[in-house]
Amino acid sequence: DAGVIQSPRHEVTEMGQEVTLRCKPISGHNSLFWYRQTMMRGLELLIYFNNNVPIDDSGMPEDRFSAKMPNASFSTLKIQPSEPRDSAVYFCASSPGGEATGELFFGEGSRLTVL
Amino acid sequence: AQRVTQPEKLLSVFKGAPVELKCNYSYSGSPELFWYVQYSRQRLQLLLRHISRESIKGFTADLNKGETSFHLKKPFAQEEDSAMYYCALSGHSGNTPLVFGKGTRLSVIA
Repeated sequence: DAGVIQSPRHEVTEMGQEVTLRCKPISGHNSLFWYRQTMMRGLELLIYFNNNVPIDDSGMPEDRFSAKMPNASFSTLKIQPSEPRDSAVYFCASSPGGEATGELFFGEGSRLTVL
Repeated sequence: AQRVTQPEKLLSVFKGAPVELKCNYSYSGSPELFWYVQYSRQRLQLLLRHISRESIKGFTADLNKGETSFHLKKPFAQEEDSAMYYCALSGHSGNTPLVFGKGTRLSVIA
């Protein structure tokens, strides 16, 4: 298993542009999480899904951020319009859920730079 | 509210010296505590969890509910231990997502 797959690995864009980050969780995992990592704030939970349903999006910074999980094998995090303060590494993680909740399997991250 | 505090952003120790990475938490219920590690150019991964009471790569961590702490310790640091370490907390039900501390970068000097 290749683990959690994220794309793109690196994205450089200009302020105002739309950014879409993608994630493929580990097959069979029913929980998916989006985290943002910055030097100042560390790892922050943005949103998480159980069985493709968004459970808690209270960590999403503002309306410019949106996330979808149309099926069990794919999720997107979209920023529109992007701003320089959105520059960060965005991690997707999945978990089997149930008794195994707590062990998250992370992707390699998508490093976003907004100029 | 769940909160995890790692007071040190950077910790430098010499090879062979003991290591202690501090973690304090705030949670009204019964927590589950974890340590995650991110080595250079690798994914963030689970190092150990308190319920397992295991030693991984020589590291141990004991949950101290009185002091609300879950410090990570190793008696003799190795160069390959240099990495970013995150303490994380989840509610006992297991259905609440992990809340991470800001992380401590450990640098082991040869």
